[in-house]
Amino acid sequence: AQTVTQSQPEMSVQEAETVTLSCTYDTSESDYYLFWYKQPPSRQMILVIRQEAYKQQNATENRFSVNFQKAAKSFSLKISDSQLGDAAMYFCAYRALQAGNEKLTFGTGTRLTIIP
Amino acid sequence: DTGVSQDPRHKITKRGQNVTFRCDPISEHNRLYWYRQTLGQGPEFLTYFQNEAQLEKSRLLSDRFSAERPKGSFSTLEIQRTEQGDSAMYLCASSFNSRPQHFGDGTRLSIL
Repeated sequence: AQTVTQSQPEMSVQEAETVTLSCTYDTSESDYYLFWYKQPPSRQMILVIRQEAYKQQNATENRFSVNFQKAAKSFSLKISDSQLGDAAMYFCAYRALQAGNEKLTFGTGTRLTIIP
Repeated sequence: DTGVSQDPRHKITKRGQNVTFRCDPISEHNRLYWYRQTLGQGPEFLTYFQNEAQLEKSRLLSDRFSAERPKGSFSTLEIQRTEQGDSAMYLCASSFNSRPQHFGDGTRLSIL
């Protein structure tokens, strides 16, 4: 069974600075998807970024980028130029590639606080 | 695109009662998922549908839980004889085929 581990329950960063959230996972599959989702307080889960394991290039979305290390099974999220609106719970998630195995497996989350 | 809609937002009920939640996916999405999220944890998969067919059920989905998607559009999740441990946020998500899942705001269930 796949597992996702987020070892940082809480992180804080000064506004405009850069922060990195860690995620490791365990799988026996060679192809899969990895995601970072953001869940602001009392608001819905929003997709931040996704990475296909068969792609060597790290995904980027504006101020958000990932460091995907397939051999180490590591998938960290870097947030540059942190903004107050980035404050939220961040969840790392895994999904198998093959059709019919669509469920997301989430980590326990990292609560990110932005210090003005 | 009005997003995934869940109703109600909050439900408070007494232990032993039955509850039903509704999820309306994004209109063109053929896949619909239910997750449960307890305090301090990430969401856990419960079940998912492709159109009206329920294709996978987690072992978390005991026989007190049932989900339906009768016409391949909205879905309902019913919990019978609720227990204290059922208190959680129930999240619905939808997707078009294998594209990323979009989540609703969730239904928060509190068992008295």
